Amino acid sequence: DIQVTQSPSSLSASVGDRVTITCRASQNIRSYLNWYQQKPGKAPQLLIFGASTLQSEVPSRFSGSGSGTDFTLTISSLLREDFATYYCQQSYSAPITFGQGTKVEIK
Amino acid sequence: QVQLVQSGAEVRKPGASVKVSCTASGYTFTWYYIHWVRQAPGQGLEWMGIINPSGGSTSYAQKFQDRVTMTRDTSTSTVYMDLSSLTSDDTAVYYCGRDVGQGHVAANAMDVWGQGTTVTVSS
Repeated sequence: DIQVTQSPSSLSASVGDRVTITCRASQNIRSYLNWYQQKPGKAPQLLIFGASTLQSEVPSRFSGSGSGTDFTLTISSLLREDFATYYCQQSYSAPITFGQGTKVEIK
Repeated sequence: QVQLVQSGAEVRKPGASVKVSCTASGYTFTWYYIHWVRQAPGQGLEWMGIINPSGGSTSYAQKFQDRVTMTRDTSTSTVYMDLSSLTSDDTAVYYCGRDVGQGHVAANAMDVWGQGTTVTVSS
């Protein structure tokens, strides 16, 4: 199975901060990497597909980059509504695997 | 609008089985694969498997291969996830999610999710 490792596992940030979350795959997954946001008690929401394609209606302050084994999710200017847990997920091969999550908390 | 609506919370005893439903609306049911993902309390996301609503073919994570069965009913646009031999480790919220890929190829990302079904396994 392909392992995906996120870092950090949690971070504290203020409204307006630029936030970066990284995801590393255990082997080359080309651009088959997706990012989700999950708020407490809610289902995950797809933010970015194929490493860098912003999903419909997702604000442009979210962006994704990377290929191969190293990927990044960036929130350019954090809003209060962005405090949540973020997961990366590889879609290169079965079984689909998720990172362990990064919780973004209010400083 | 496009949505997936799941069945309600379930409580089971160890050793029992549970069947969770996921009913689709707002799109052509047979055009998009459906995934099942679970989340134990305070934990991350775990993929269980995928079903093609068109032909009914399935692929399961090795971990669940012997205990999970995914089926569909095209007359009601519903997919089902049946998990047997439950233990306390199966206590989790179970989600269905629609694959973003259209047609006969799954893209293995999920753009529409059900609201989740809490399954509690307790003696």
